Amino acid sequence: EAEVAQSPRYKITEKSQAVAFWCDPISGHATLYWYRQILGQGPELLVQFQDESVVDDSQLPKDRFSAERLKGVDSTLKIQPAELGDSAMYLCASSLDGQAWYEQYFGPGTRLTVT
Amino acid sequence: DQQVKQNSPSLSVQEGRISILNCDYTNSMFDYFLWYKKYPAEGPTFLISISSIKDKNEDGRFTVFLNKSAKHLSLHIVPSQPGDSAVYFCAAPQGGKLIFGQGTELSVKP
Repeated sequence: EAEVAQSPRYKITEKSQAVAFWCDPISGHATLYWYRQILGQGPELLVQFQDESVVDDSQLPKDRFSAERLKGVDSTLKIQPAELGDSAMYLCASSLDGQAWYEQYFGPGTRLTVT
Repeated sequence: DQQVKQNSPSLSVQEGRISILNCDYTNSMFDYFLWYKKYPAEGPTFLISISSIKDKNEDGRFTVFLNKSAKHLSLHIVPSQPGDSAVYFCAAPQGGKLIFGQGTELSVKP
């Protein structure tokens, strides 16, 4: 069964350092999402791509976060510089276009700890 | 402003009994709802959904009920199994994105 791939699975970094996360969506899924999940809360959307274009990045802290999906396939989320409050699970998801977009398929996530 | 709320952070149920997970929402424009299940160290997986034109949707041991007048939905798991132990999120689509509740951690005891 096709899956969303993410790496690394775990990342520990010191504050003020740069970190990057990678996501490879399910083949054929045009829409890609990056979510942040803080412990005890539900996932919150950071950025949404349709192919290589950003559809929604209204919740992305653009002073330190950036995301790209250059060829409309895999994607990278970067944080520079990392802050203690960025410690969370970063989830990538993908979906098909049309009505099926509701049903998003999530990767295993990257657990970020900032010390 | 939390538009989708799961007010019970945790629930413990005996194996074989019914598990009922609740979710409330504030936005009457929501017309579709989804439940996701999340195991530790894994991403959420889609479980079941319901359209606002229905008040019930069933899939095996899982049934979701929707009460639009009360802006409330619930997920019933019957019978509960130890493998159902996970965090359950309800979610609603809005403006092209999903709005998630805070999650309820279900523990099914053997």
